[in-house]
Amino acid sequence: DVVMTQSPLSLPVTLGQPASISCRSSQSLVYSDGNTYLEWFHQRPGQSPRRLIYKVSNRDSGVPDRFSGSGSGTDFTLKISRVEAEDVGVYHCMQATRWPYTFGQGTQLEIK
Amino acid sequence: QVQLVESGGGVVQPGGSLRLSCAASGFTFSSYGMHWVRQAPGKGLEWVSFIRQDESDKYYADSVKGRFTISRDNSKNTLYLQMNSLRVEDMAVYYCAKDPGTGMSEGIDYWGQGTLVTVSS
Repeated sequence: DVVMTQSPLSLPVTLGQPASISCRSSQSLVYSDGNTYLEWFHQRPGQSPRRLIYKVSNRDSGVPDRFSGSGSGTDFTLKISRVEAEDVGVYHCMQATRWPYTFGQGTQLEIK
Repeated sequence: QVQLVESGGGVVQPGGSLRLSCAASGFTFSSYGMHWVRQAPGKGLEWVSFIRQDESDKYYADSVKGRFTISRDNSKNTLYLQMNSLRVEDMAVYYCAKDPGTGMSEGIDYWGQGTLVTVSS
């Protein structure tokens, strides 16, 4: 199975400051069609996850442009340019290139 | 808009069975693959199972293979998860999730609100 490793697991951030979360996979996530199926989700306390980013760097409709995804191969990053209060919660990366799909451990973002 | 509403969760003894349902609306259900994902209390997300649009392919996590069965009824816009031989470690919130792909699977784009399965004697 592809192991997804996120860091850090806890991320205290001051409002208005940037934040960055790393997600590394144990195998390349490039699929035979040339796409890389790496997604990012945000889960607020008591809620279900919401997708933010798909195929590494594509932002979902309605997702603020302060969120950006980047990376390739086995190394991926989610960046928030200026953290707002509504950004608290857990961020999960997930690979959808190889079965079984696997998630990272999750990164808890909190406001300092 | 896409809506996924799970039901069927509850309390069951170890070794027991439950069937979860997920009622889908707001999209052409028969055109998309569907997933089940679970989250144990205070833990991360674990992908459980996937079914293709026409049920031609089904995939399972090793942790549930041979005990859980995914199915769907496209005439009722409903996804199911039959869970047998339940274990304490199966206790979790179970989410129904939609795949964005209309051909091959491409991941997950929408999630339901989840249904809680408690396994306890």
